[in-house]
Amino acid sequence: QSVLTQPPSVSGAPGQRVTISCTGSSSNIGTGYDVHWYQQLPGTAPKLLIYGNNNRPSGVPDRFSGSRSGTSASLAITGLQAEDEADYYCQSYDTSLSGLYVFGTGTKVTVL
Amino acid sequence: QVQLVESGGGVVQPGRSLRLSCAASGFTFSNFAMHWVRQAPGKGLEWVALIWYDGSKTYYADSVKGRFTISRDSSKYTVFLQMNTLRAEDTAVYYCARDEPSLSFFDYWGPGTLVTVSS
Repeated sequence: QSVLTQPPSVSGAPGQRVTISCTGSSSNIGTGYDVHWYQQLPGTAPKLLIYGNNNRPSGVPDRFSGSRSGTSASLAITGLQAEDEADYYCQSYDTSLSGLYVFGTGTKVTVL
Repeated sequence: QVQLVESGGGVVQPGRSLRLSCAASGFTFSNFAMHWVRQAPGKGLEWVALIWYDGSKTYYADSVKGRFTISRDSSKYTVFLQMNTLRAEDTAVYYCARDEPSLSFFDYWGPGTLVTVSS
């Protein structure tokens, strides 16, 4: 079960900016653990999008950016493009008994 | 380039067992911890298990503890997931993922293998 909460869906027109929130607690993000983001295109495996709160792996466009504050984090997509339509998941480390690695509930981004 | 390829999925009856494999290539396997992550149909991602780079330690999600066992064979660049006493709720695509050790994230993923638990 997910312990990081994300909105089920966000949408925007091409070129617009959208943001996805990721809300955790004192046992994960609030402890200072980094937040990472994954993009999952339809029918494919997740792909690393942002690591260490705000770092992009090689090949990820700079339209994607991340931030973390307190017990939350967010992913921003600027200049939204049709190929950005996908599911997005945040992930962090957790010190509770239920599991070490926790994911967000996932957000579907729709390009209108 | 880093490649991870899972195999061993299929349809299995409740209570039975299944063993998944993940073949790795393109990196020094013995230097990295490895994970299994699953995704039930239409649902989100769930971390399942972790094995250290040298196999000395393993960790499990509460939902599979006592039923699943992760192991590795570094000579064959392969990580395994032995799944026993399978339940309908174990139905999912199972992904193998490489661990990035300094910040605790998954830097490479395989395409996944589907496990369906059904009578």
